[in-house]
Amino acid sequence: QVQMVESGGGVVQPGGSLRLSCVTSGFNFSAYGMHWVRQAPGKGLEWVSYMGRDGVNSYYADSVKGRFTISRDNSKKIVFLQMKSLEVDDTAVYYCAAGATYWGLGALVIVSS
Amino acid sequence: DIQLTQSPPSLSASIGDTVTLSCRASQGISTFLAWFQQQPGKAPKSLIYAASSLHSGVPSKFSGSGSGTYFTLTIRRLQPDDFATYYCQQYDSFPITFGQGTRLEIK
Repeated sequence: QVQMVESGGGVVQPGGSLRLSCVTSGFNFSAYGMHWVRQAPGKGLEWVSYMGRDGVNSYYADSVKGRFTISRDNSKKIVFLQMKSLEVDDTAVYYCAAGATYWGLGALVIVSS
Repeated sequence: DIQLTQSPPSLSASIGDTVTLSCRASQGISTFLAWFQQQPGKAPKSLIYAASSLHSGVPSKFSGSGSGTYFTLTIRRLQPDDFATYYCQQYDSFPITFGQGTRLEIK
């Protein structure tokens, strides 16, 4: 069955960095564009970033552009989100998603001094 | 950026009811619209893509319609596990955007 498990979340001070990983199995990973979507406490869903199937094209929300970098390893079926210069407003549960089809369980990122 | 406005923001309904949620886009997006269900504390679940196509395993009590700027999600014969928050999402152009959600509550 499909599994998508995020890791790498945690508590970090403002200005710090984290790298999220999303390990997947059970579906044809290389056939899907991959997204990161986040949800701040008590708020709605916010799209963060997307990378195409071949790892060439990537897109970002304005709120994270220049600070976050998405990447993927099709051979290992993993997608990453490198987050730098973290801000308090980046505090959220971060989900990876395969297309609009499969979702991970989420990883909590807390940015706090 | 394309704005999605969902209405109503919240809705109270009874077991067995049929409800319709709406999602309006600030500009035409053809049928590049998806619907998701989210239970409290859980990850979103994909329901519908391309405005009206059900994902595998999603019961036929869920149906989507619309194109251009106006879309609806209809849920028939409400059961307890249908009470959740529902989000629409447009993937016509980047940045991808979500509606603010409709919270469906038990009356």
